[in-house]
Amino acid sequence: EAQVTQNPRYLITVTGKKLTVTCSQNMNHEYMSWYRQDPGLGLRQIYYSMNVEVTDKGDVPEGYKVSRKEKRNFPLILESPSPNQTSLYFCASSFRGVRGVRTEAFFGQGTRLTVV
Amino acid sequence: GESVGLHLPTLSVQEGDNSIINCAYSNSASDYFIWYKQESGKGPQFIIDIRSNMDKRQGQRVTVLLNKTVKHLSLQIAATQPGDSAVYFCAENAGSNSGYALNFGKGTSLLVTP
Repeated sequence: EAQVTQNPRYLITVTGKKLTVTCSQNMNHEYMSWYRQDPGLGLRQIYYSMNVEVTDKGDVPEGYKVSRKEKRNFPLILESPSPNQTSLYFCASSFRGVRGVRTEAFFGQGTRLTVV
Repeated sequence: GESVGLHLPTLSVQEGDNSIINCAYSNSASDYFIWYKQESGKGPQFIIDIRSNMDKRQGQRVTVLLNKTVKHLSLQIAATQPGDSAVYFCAENAGSNSGYALNFGKGTSLLVTP
C-alpha cells in the first residue's frame, strides 16, 4: 500500500530535549515536505526537499532541521524544542511532474507534539 | 508572500444537498491547484486537482472550477453525505521561487446534517 508513515503519532517532551520525528514514504517520490498545523493558521511549510541531499527552508523553518540522506526518509529534527513548537506535524511526499511542477502530495497521519 | 484564502470558515448543509466551498488565491503565477479533505485525527487527503490550462474538472461527486480572471477556485460536492463532513483545504502551487511548494488556505469546515 502506498503510504507516508510518520513516527511517533504522539509525543510529549520537555523544553530543550532534542527529538526527531521520522517520515518514510514507499512511493519513490522525489519531493518531501514537513508542515505544521495550528488552529487558525492552517498548514504552514517548515522545510522541503526536492531530492536526496537537496533541502530548503519553507515558511517557518526556525527551530527545525531536516536531512535527506535517502530518497524514502525525511526526518524532522528539533534540536532544542520550545513550547511554541507544540503543534500537529505532517510529512508529505509527491512526484515531480512536468516542468518540475508538483503533483498532489500524499500526507502522513500526523504527529501531535507537546512541549512542556 | 502571497497567500491562499477561503471565503467561509464553516459551512453547514443538509444531507443530499450540494455543497460549494470557495477559495480565493492571489498569486497570478500559480498554475496548479488542489483540494484536500481532512477528517478529524487524520492527515489531509487528496480530492481533486486542476491545472491552470483548464477551467473545470470533474471527479466522483466532486467538481472543481477555476476562474483565473478573478483568481477564484471552488469545490462542488454533489449529494453531500455525512461522510463528507470534514475540513476542506485548497492549495496552490507557489511556483519555482518556492521550490514549487504548496501554499494552503486556512480551511473550511463542512458539516453535513441529517
